[in-house]
Amino acid sequence: QVQLVQSGAEVKKPGASVKVSCKASGYSFTTHYIHWVRQAPGHGLEWVGIIKSSIDDTTYAQKFQGRVTVTRDTSTSTVYMELSSLRSDDTAVYYCAREPPHSYKFDYWGQGTPVTVSS
Amino acid sequence: EIVLTQSPGTLSLSPGERATLSCRASQSVNSYFLAWYQQKPGQAPRLLISGASSRATGIPDRFSGSGSGTDFTLTISRLEPEDFAVYYCQQYDSSPPKYTFGQGTKLEIK
Repeated sequence: QVQLVQSGAEVKKPGASVKVSCKASGYSFTTHYIHWVRQAPGHGLEWVGIIKSSIDDTTYAQKFQGRVTVTRDTSTSTVYMELSSLRSDDTAVYYCAREPPHSYKFDYWGQGTPVTVSS
Repeated sequence: EIVLTQSPGTLSLSPGERATLSCRASQSVNSYFLAWYQQKPGQAPRLLISGASSRATGIPDRFSGSGSGTDFTLTISRLEPEDFAVYYCQQYDSSPPKYTFGQGTKLEIK
């Protein structure tokens, strides 16, 4: 069965970077896209970016451009999201989610990784 | 930039009742690009509807989606206790490429 398993919770200081992983299994890794979506405490969902695993092509939300990098390791079917220059308002649960190509929907989600930014 | 506005913010209903949730876009949206999700506390969102009206695998037929252009609706025909959650609509915008969510509707037990 399709699974996306994320790395554990992180606590970081302002100005630091965080790198969250998302390991995929149960499907052909290179045929689907992986997105990152975050949710601040008590708030809604916010799209961060996408990597198209087959061609290593990334697109980021304008808000995060210059601060976020999404990469993938096809040998381990893992996608990584690194967010730099962390601020307190980056405190959120970060989810990875799968998109079947050109479907514009997120059909499977990881369990979420809480990231806390605090001095 | 297309903005999705969901209404109402909170909907209070009883099990067995019908729920109608609205998602209005600031500009016309291709129906193929419109999806709905359910999120329960402490859980990841779950895909309910894609392409505005197609139920995802395993989603009960009491959930239905409809609409086109700027107005989309998620209907739950007869509420079950497990349906009380937060619901989000989501769309894809190609210029520039981005995915956006509505702010959510909380469906609570009356």
